[in-house]
Amino acid sequence: GENVEQHPSTLSVQEGDSAVIKCTYSDSASNYFPWYKQELGKGPQLIIDIRSNVGEKKDQRIAVTLNKTAKHFSLHITETQPEDSAVYFCAASSGNQGGKLIFGQGTELSVKP
Amino acid sequence: GAVVSQHPSRVICKSGTSVKIECRSLDFQATTMFWYRQFPKQSLMLMATSNEGSKATYEQGVEKDKFLINHASLTLSTLTVTSAHPEDSSFYICSVPDRSSNEQYFGPGTRLTVT
Repeated sequence: GENVEQHPSTLSVQEGDSAVIKCTYSDSASNYFPWYKQELGKGPQLIIDIRSNVGEKKDQRIAVTLNKTAKHFSLHITETQPEDSAVYFCAASSGNQGGKLIFGQGTELSVKP
Repeated sequence: GAVVSQHPSRVICKSGTSVKIECRSLDFQATTMFWYRQFPKQSLMLMATSNEGSKATYEQGVEKDKFLINHASLTLSTLTVTSAHPEDSSFYICSVPDRSSNEQYFGPGTRLTVT
């Protein structure tokens, strides 16, 4: 089955710097790669996603890149702000798994003012 | 996207009792819902897929007789933790998938504490 590895587990940056979180997946059939932000005691919120027919997607300060050949995808946050501090999860799913998401281990991002 | 609610948000129960958690899709008809469990400082682990009008499908290692799932309508799925023990204390989260886009919309979660 699918396995998703996420690095780093913790990331501390200064306000205004960029943050990059990387994930690799194992199942070449995976075709949907969302990123979620989870604040303490809350459910995950979708912040951006990418599909296998696209190499890069950007939404304001957030971007995601996908390398299908290498089976890895990354989240890039520019001009970080303290409110970006949270746990970020990557995930992968394929259409032949009924929409099941397999999550990475999570990255705790801390943005210091 | 879909709006998903869970009830209760927090529950404390005594060991040996059963607890029911509700997941509602407020604006989206869901033939499928997913139930996840999340221990502190860990990732979300899929427990089971709730199917409207049929039996739930459970992930390997999840006891179906302990975690009873009922998907009574297109907007409601319930998870009942039977004979709860302290090790069942966790954050339980449901999600509603949009099959046309593959997106999943998560509920706010239910914090279960078993004493």
